[in-house]
Amino acid sequence: GESVGLHLPTLSVQEGDNSIINCAYSNSASDYFIWYKQESGKGPQFIIDIRSNMDKRQGQRVTVLLNKTVKHLSLQIAATQPGDSAVYFCAESGGGSNYKLTFGKGTLLTVNP
Amino acid sequence: DTEVTQTPKHLVMGMTNKKSLKCEQHMGHRAMYWYKQKAKKPPELMFVYSYEKLSINESVPSRFSPECPNSSLLNLHLHALQPEDSALYLCASSLPGQGPNEQFFGPGTRLTVL
Repeated sequence: GESVGLHLPTLSVQEGDNSIINCAYSNSASDYFIWYKQESGKGPQFIIDIRSNMDKRQGQRVTVLLNKTVKHLSLQIAATQPGDSAVYFCAESGGGSNYKLTFGKGTLLTVNP
Repeated sequence: DTEVTQTPKHLVMGMTNKKSLKCEQHMGHRAMYWYKQKAKKPPELMFVYSYEKLSINESVPSRFSPECPNSSLLNLHLHALQPEDSALYLCASSLPGQGPNEQFFGPGTRLTVL
C-alpha cells in the first residue's frame, strides 16, 4: 500500500521556540490529512486537519501546511510548551476510501524547559 | 459526551483464554474502528464498521473477531491469541460522510498475552 513517512523521528526544542514537524506522503490520490498528538499511555488526540483543496490551515498555536506538488505536509507549533511533548503522527486518507487512515511513523517531540 | 471510552484499560490473558475488549461512544458517530498499536509504532487499522456493518477487514487473523451490537458499541473478541498480539488496542469513531472525517480515539486497552 501507499506509505506516509516522516523526515525526523525525534525533535528537541526549547520551551518558547517554534516547532516544525514534517511529513512526506506518497499517495497522490490522498485528499484528507490529519495530525494527531499521542502522549504516553494515551490514545491519539486530534490536533488539526486539512483537505487537499487547501494549502494552509491554522488552529490555536498550530498551523498545517500542505504542498501537494511535492507531497509534503508540515505541522508548525508556535511557542512550544512542555505540555506539547508527545509523539506526533500525520495520517492521510482518501483516494476512494472514506474510512482508512494511513499513519506515518511518528515524530517524538521533546520540549526542554 | 465527546469521548470514546474503552474497557478494560489493561488486560493480561493466556493463549488459551477468551476475552473481549469493549468500546463505547455517544457522539452519534456511525463509523467505528479497531486499531492495533505496537510500542513506538503508528496505529494500524484492523477493522471498520459503518452503520453497524463490517466494511473493512485488513486481513486480520480470525483469532480477532469484531462485533458491533449497536451504533454506540463496538467489541473485539479475542481467542487463542499469541504473545506477538500484545499491543495497545485502540478504538475510534467518526461521522461517516461523503469524504473522510476526523476520527476520535479512545485511550486504548493495553493487552498482554502470556
